[in-house]
Amino acid sequence: DAKTTQPPSMDCAEGRAANLPCNHSTISGNEYVYWYRQIHSQGPQYIIHGLKNNETNEMASLIITEDRKSSTLILPHATLRDTAVYYCIVLSYNTDKLIFGTGTRLQVFP
Amino acid sequence: EAGVAQSPRYKIIEKRQSVAFWCNPISGHATLYWYQQILGQGPKLLIQFQNNGVVDDSQLPKDRFSAERLKGVDSTLKIQPAKLEDSAVYLCASSLGLRGGDYGYTFGSGTRLTVV
Repeated sequence: DAKTTQPPSMDCAEGRAANLPCNHSTISGNEYVYWYRQIHSQGPQYIIHGLKNNETNEMASLIITEDRKSSTLILPHATLRDTAVYYCIVLSYNTDKLIFGTGTRLQVFP
Repeated sequence: EAGVAQSPRYKIIEKRQSVAFWCNPISGHATLYWYQQILGQGPKLLIQFQNNGVVDDSQLPKDRFSAERLKGVDSTLKIQPAKLEDSAVYLCASSLGLRGGDYGYTFGSGTRLTVV
């Protein structure tokens, strides 16, 4: 499975957009980009996933570059409850295993 | 829809004792995973079940850890004997099928184990 690289921490003001980057330069054609987040003392929560096209749901938007070597998770209007560790994961449909890295710790401040 | 249930929520044991964790996945979810999360790290996959069969247990320390999935539903993870370095949160997750990606993985809240 391809490895991902994320900044260890980021800050964001409440009400502003939070843009979380992820590098996955060794991603292959059958691998998807998944984003999960983990709020303190809870299990990871699914946010969004994509293959090539940009995706949007009620929680976030996922922007994948044309060469698929990087992506950005966008929380359009961050709230204090979005403070969490965000994991970018590359998932192969051949292995079907979520392999977590160390993620990005997002702190949303008032 | 009920989520993934795990118990106990917390457990404190002395080293060399044994401990067991229980997981009840979402009804109908064929695939079940156990993860170990040490403080400050991302979750590490220990074992993956498809129905009641093991798909991957390559990261499970088999000298002390064991897991089973009864009738393809509930699962238990056991540690015997426990070591100090086993202190962690043990997370259970489930998904609808082998290709869980399309349907998502749902995680429980975990069991926090402290070995003293």
